[in-house]
Amino acid sequence: SAVISQKPSRDICQRGTSLTIQCQVDSQVTMMFWYRQQPGQSLTLIATANQGSEATYESGFVIDKFPISRPNLTFSTLTVSNMSPEDSSIYLCSVSEGLNTEAFFGQGTRLTVV
Amino acid sequence: QKEVEQNSGPLSVPEGAIASLNCTYSDRGSQSFFWYRQYSGKSPELIMFIYSNGDKEDGRFTAQLNKASQYVSLLIRDSQPSDSATYLCAVNISDDYKLSFGAGTTVTVRA
Repeated sequence: SAVISQKPSRDICQRGTSLTIQCQVDSQVTMMFWYRQQPGQSLTLIATANQGSEATYESGFVIDKFPISRPNLTFSTLTVSNMSPEDSSIYLCSVSEGLNTEAFFGQGTRLTVV
Repeated sequence: QKEVEQNSGPLSVPEGAIASLNCTYSDRGSQSFFWYRQYSGKSPELIMFIYSNGDKEDGRFTAQLNKASQYVSLLIRDSQPSDSATYLCAVNISDDYKLSFGAGTTVTVRA
C-alpha cells in the first residue's frame, strides 16, 4: 500500500484564520479524498481531489470554505478557511486506486480552533 | 435511510471470546465491502475486504457477506485486549469511487 504523509499532525488556530493541510503520497495514486471526523463520529467525505481540475464536493461542503488543490498524482492540499470552533475536527487524507478498491488513510490532522 | 448502518455499541467481550459486528447497507448495487479498525487518536487501518458472497478468513478475523440480504459482518475470534478499538464498516457506492462509512462500533475486550 502507498505511504501517505499528512502534515501538520495537529494545530491550534485562532478563529477567522485559515489552515492548509498537506497530503503527500510516495507513489502515484488514482484517487485522493479528504474526510472530516468530528469527535466521537464517523468519517464524512468532504470532497474528491481531482488532478488538474476542481475538486468534487459533497453536499454541505463548498469550495470557498474548503479549497482543495491537486497539482499532480502524488500531492493534495486542503485549506480550512475562516475557521470557527465548529471546524475543530480531525481531517484525513485518503487514497485509492479506483473503483472497488480499498482506501488508505494518512495519519490525520487534529485541528482545534479557539 | 443511512447508506451504511452498524449495530450500536459499545460492545464488551471477555478475552478469548468471539466479537460479532454487523453492518447493513442500502445500495443493492454495491460491490465491495471493507472493515477498518481505528484506535483512539489514530487513523483508520484496513483489516479486511470482501467482494463475494460467503466467508473470508484472515487470521482471527472472518468477514461474511450476504448481498441478497445487504448484510456484511465481521467476526473476531479469540478476542485480545489489543482488539479494543472502533470498527468501521465501509461500502463502495455502486459505480462510484467513494466509500460510505458506517458510524462505527466500539469494541472493548476485557482481560
